[in-house]
Amino acid sequence: KAGVTQTPRYLIKTRGQQVTLSCSPISGHRSVSWYQQTPGQGLQFLFEYFSETQRNKGNFPGRFSGRQFSNSRSEMNVSTLELGDSALYLCASSLVKGSGTDTQYFGPGTRLTVL
Amino acid sequence: KNEVEQSPQNLTAQEGEFITINCSYSVGISALHWLQQHPGGGIVSLFMLSSGKKKHGRLIATINIQEKHSSLHITASHPRDSAVYICAAPALIGSQGNLIFGKGTKLSVKP
Repeated sequence: KAGVTQTPRYLIKTRGQQVTLSCSPISGHRSVSWYQQTPGQGLQFLFEYFSETQRNKGNFPGRFSGRQFSNSRSEMNVSTLELGDSALYLCASSLVKGSGTDTQYFGPGTRLTVL
Repeated sequence: KNEVEQSPQNLTAQEGEFITINCSYSVGISALHWLQQHPGGGIVSLFMLSSGKKKHGRLIATINIQEKHSSLHITASHPRDSAVYICAAPALIGSQGNLIFGKGTKLSVKP
């Protein structure tokens, strides 16, 4: 079974631009969670989607948004990029809803650099 | 809201040593996760446990619900165990999503 895939793996953008990251979960997994990892803040939860519905959202500004499609693939979008958005963005999928009580399978991440 | 603390932040060991990484959290949880992150960023879920002990190869995870504490042990450590180990717990009591992560323990095992 293929693992979680994320595209692109690396991305360089400039301040003010917007970016869209993609995540394809393991086949059969319906829950997708997104995380941001920075050296200063560590890993932080962004949001979780299950059956095309956002179930939970972390403490991030509205510039961060996401969606999930009927095939469980998910995208996250960051608008009006700031230097502080430079980070590793990870997605993880799990079989059922609720990232807290189900084993999560992580993708390799997208490393975003904002110049 | 849950707070997750890990110790130590950094750990250097000689190959073969027994290693313990600790994690404490502030509110009751339904499950605690241990994750491993290798250089390059990939994260692997090692354990999810809600009580007692789990073992996988040389890795053992334990949790004490009353004391709100969990430990990850590595027996007969090997240089390939060098990685960052992260514990995570749900942010709120009964919360299904929104994991809170510890800052991680960077382990370096010398041959």
